[in-house]
Amino acid sequence: SAVISQKPSRDICQRGTSLTIQCQVDSQVTMMFWYRQQPGQSLTLIATANQGSEATYESGFVIDKFPISRPNLTFSTLTVSNMSPEDSSIYLCSVEPFLNTEAFFGQGTRLTVV
Amino acid sequence: GENVEQHPSTLSVQEGDSAVIKCTYSDSASNYFPWYKQELGKRPQLIIDIRSNVGEKKDQRIAVTLNKTAKHFSLHITETQPEDSAVYFCAAMGPYGAGNTPLVFGKGTRLSVIA
Repeated sequence: SAVISQKPSRDICQRGTSLTIQCQVDSQVTMMFWYRQQPGQSLTLIATANQGSEATYESGFVIDKFPISRPNLTFSTLTVSNMSPEDSSIYLCSVEPFLNTEAFFGQGTRLTVV
Repeated sequence: GENVEQHPSTLSVQEGDSAVIKCTYSDSASNYFPWYKQELGKRPQLIIDIRSNVGEKKDQRIAVTLNKTAKHFSLHITETQPEDSAVYFCAAMGPYGAGNTPLVFGKGTRLSVIA
């Protein structure tokens, strides 16, 4: 299995500010995935982070709003920039460390923007 | 890209009855289909998964079936218990490379088991 440490677990932020979420994996992985889960909704992929290159963003998500860093094979950050109440969600990082098998999730960051 | 539809969105069953949740997917190249259970305030947890070379898989009270031709797969929970109450998500993953393909999730089913 893979163990992912994600922090912070929760935060309450003022609108217009930014929050950086960190994920640390206990093994090297090729890709790290960032998901958003809005209240009562499913998980939506924000972007895929590959070490050594720019992240790949899904439709509806842009780098200026959700900049991602991937400095090495075990770590990634997601920043939620210029926050508004609509950004209030749970943000989760995920990895798939083994060939075509289970995806593992961090414990999630519950963000509330006021 | 892949699209996963999940039904029903909510499901209530009496304790001891069975629950069935169904999903369809659009990309015939997808070959890995996990099911996740998410309890309130917690991360999704894998409960069972199936690959495209298998038609059915069981793990105690939980089973998953896959019909590749029709591109649908289902979760079956027998002898439901109150602790089965949670939101269940199906997902699909394509074969595009080891660890390189994200999961695409269905919208989820809120299962309530009534004691």
